[in-house]
Amino acid sequence: NAGVTQTPKFRVLKTGQSMTLLCAQDMNHEYMYWYRQDPGMGLRLIHYSVGEGTTAKGEVPDGYNVSRLKKQNFLLGLESAAPSQTSVYFCASRGLSTGELFFGEGSRLTVL
Amino acid sequence: RKEVEQDPGPFNVPEGATVAFNCTYSNSASQSFFWYRQDCRKEPKLLMSVYSSGNEDGRFTAQLNRASQYISLLIRDSKLSDSATYLCVVGRTGANNLFFGTGTRLTVIP
Repeated sequence: NAGVTQTPKFRVLKTGQSMTLLCAQDMNHEYMYWYRQDPGMGLRLIHYSVGEGTTAKGEVPDGYNVSRLKKQNFLLGLESAAPSQTSVYFCASRGLSTGELFFGEGSRLTVL
Repeated sequence: RKEVEQDPGPFNVPEGATVAFNCTYSNSASQSFFWYRQDCRKEPKLLMSVYSSGNEDGRFTAQLNRASQYISLLIRDSKLSDSATYLCVVGRTGANNLFFGTGTRLTVIP
């Protein structure tokens, strides 16, 4: 039972490069989220989706784009990476009838 | 004002001690409450939901005080394995996302 899977788990980028983080869940959850976690800041919501084909901005959306073309996948894109985007990124999902969030293991991104 | 606020700690307690964390929330429309645990360099995982009547799971007790808008987590007989960061999480009607506190770090000392 995989739950929520994030790829890649580690990545180093140079300023200005682009990349995509993939989140996949096998629990048929409607809601999916992308967070970033920085020391002393806690988890901050970047973007989220309430269903296939829908996305919405969270607390810190600038510099990121997302897509939810399939219910099980939620992609987070960085078009032009900046050092301020160095962080640990967590994807999470939950169903309609439950408040419990299931997290992926995290993706550690370093932008040089 | 932040939606959810927690004392960041750190709390350093000896094994066997009882420790309590509080968390306050600002929106009276909040309806669902949770405590998550996050180990170092790992993802958060649900520790327990918090119900209006309070609930207990082994050494862990969670309480909700709607009048004062806070929730608490009590850990009895602390174990070394309880060392982690504890995140307070709140959901409210009409919001599609949950709101996280910054977490309270606990270290249990031998």
